[in-house]
Amino acid sequence: SQTIHQWPATLVQPVGSPLSLECTVEGTSNPNLYWYRQAAGRGLQLLFYSVGIGQISSEVPQNLSASRPQDRQFILSSKKLLLSDSGFYLCAWRGPGSNQPQHFGDGTRLSIL
Amino acid sequence: AQSVTQLGSHVSVSEGALVLLRCNYSSSVPPYLFWYVQYPNQGLQLLLKYTSAATLVKGINGFEAEFKKSETSFHLTKPSAHMSDAAEYFCAVSLQGGKLIFGQGTELSVKP
Repeated sequence: SQTIHQWPATLVQPVGSPLSLECTVEGTSNPNLYWYRQAAGRGLQLLFYSVGIGQISSEVPQNLSASRPQDRQFILSSKKLLLSDSGFYLCAWRGPGSNQPQHFGDGTRLSIL
Repeated sequence: AQSVTQLGSHVSVSEGALVLLRCNYSSSVPPYLFWYVQYPNQGLQLLLKYTSAATLVKGINGFEAEFKKSETSFHLTKPSAHMSDAAEYFCAVSLQGGKLIFGQGTELSVKP
């Protein structure tokens, strides 16, 4: 069966520090991968998605970037964190076929001090 | 353009009562629709999905949803609420290419 892993589960970082969040998927090949941010008390905002290695689409201009160095690995990064980057970050994967649901990881709670 | 509206950001029911969470969508093409549940500090878990087969869809944990094209609705129901159902619920519609548009979520509280 397929599984998705995100780490770390929680992270506290100072303003201006770099960021790297990692997401990996097991048990499937060539998944579509997604990064979302969920601000407190709000819905989900799609940040990036990827349909293949090295292929990244950005949904909103921001202080973050994403990379997909391997088929089942998706990384969210920042060179300098802002206070507004705080939130709950979720990674998701989806198999082929537009009727397939997305499956989510357990998320990373990022607090910027 | 596709969109999702969840009516009521917060719903409170008594244990054993009917749960009804409302979702209306806007889509120019036949939609694929999903309900997800999120417990505190966790990711989203798929409850059920509508993919143009049966209009009444049964999901996990006793939930079901009915697709009504004439009303552009996909409301989530459960006959009898349990304390463990307290969580945030999200309705979503799938765009071409598999991206999802989520509603703003409905927080369900269950009173003993």
